[in-house]
Amino acid sequence: EAAVTQSPRSKVAVTGGKVTLSCHQTNNHDYMYWYRQDTGHGLRLIHYSYVADSTEKGDIPDGYKASRPSQENFSLILELASLSQTAVYFCASSDEGQGENTQYFGPGTRLLVL
Amino acid sequence: QEKVQQSPESLIVPEGAMVSLNCSFSDSASQSIWWYQQHPGKGPKALISIFSNGNKKEGRLTVYLNRASLHVSLHIKDSQPSDSAVYLCAVNPGYQNFYFGKGTSLTVIP
Repeated sequence: EAAVTQSPRSKVAVTGGKVTLSCHQTNNHDYMYWYRQDTGHGLRLIHYSYVADSTEKGDIPDGYKASRPSQENFSLILELASLSQTAVYFCASSDEGQGENTQYFGPGTRLLVL
Repeated sequence: QEKVQQSPESLIVPEGAMVSLNCSFSDSASQSIWWYQQHPGKGPKALISIFSNGNKKEGRLTVYLNRASLHVSLHIKDSQPSDSAVYLCAVNPGYQNFYFGKGTSLTVIP
């Protein structure tokens, strides 16, 4: 079974502060993704990456940056956290980006911005 | 942007019942449709996918896709209490994105 881990599992941040969420996969997958999940919305794609040292914008990238320093690691950075960024964040990986390949999700990070 | 609508929002059934979950989408050219299962406090887990019009069966799960009506359904036979979870429909338009519905919350009563 493919493995994706996230840290921290939960975090409380202050408005205007910097937050970094980390994701690590041991699947040897090329693609990695960051999603957020909110009550009343489905999962929404923030950023994704298909190769180390390169990231791409998803549907809702504003207020977020991403970093892919290696194939295994993918970070999501909130430079100036805001109340509206309170959500659960999921990282996922897949072998290829197209729809025939299963996305494997991590356990999520619950972020509360006060 | 793809729109994905799921129904019902929630469903309570007795153990052993057949469960039917529905998903409608907006783009008939969408390449693949996935169903994910999400237990509380966990990440989504892929259950089954379909790419061609018609149906696909895996164990107790059957998925039906009708591109003409922009509709896909998931049927769970002989439901078990362990099937209690939120079921997410995800549509891939053919590039690097999946559009998810808000989910259907299923509770199976022993």
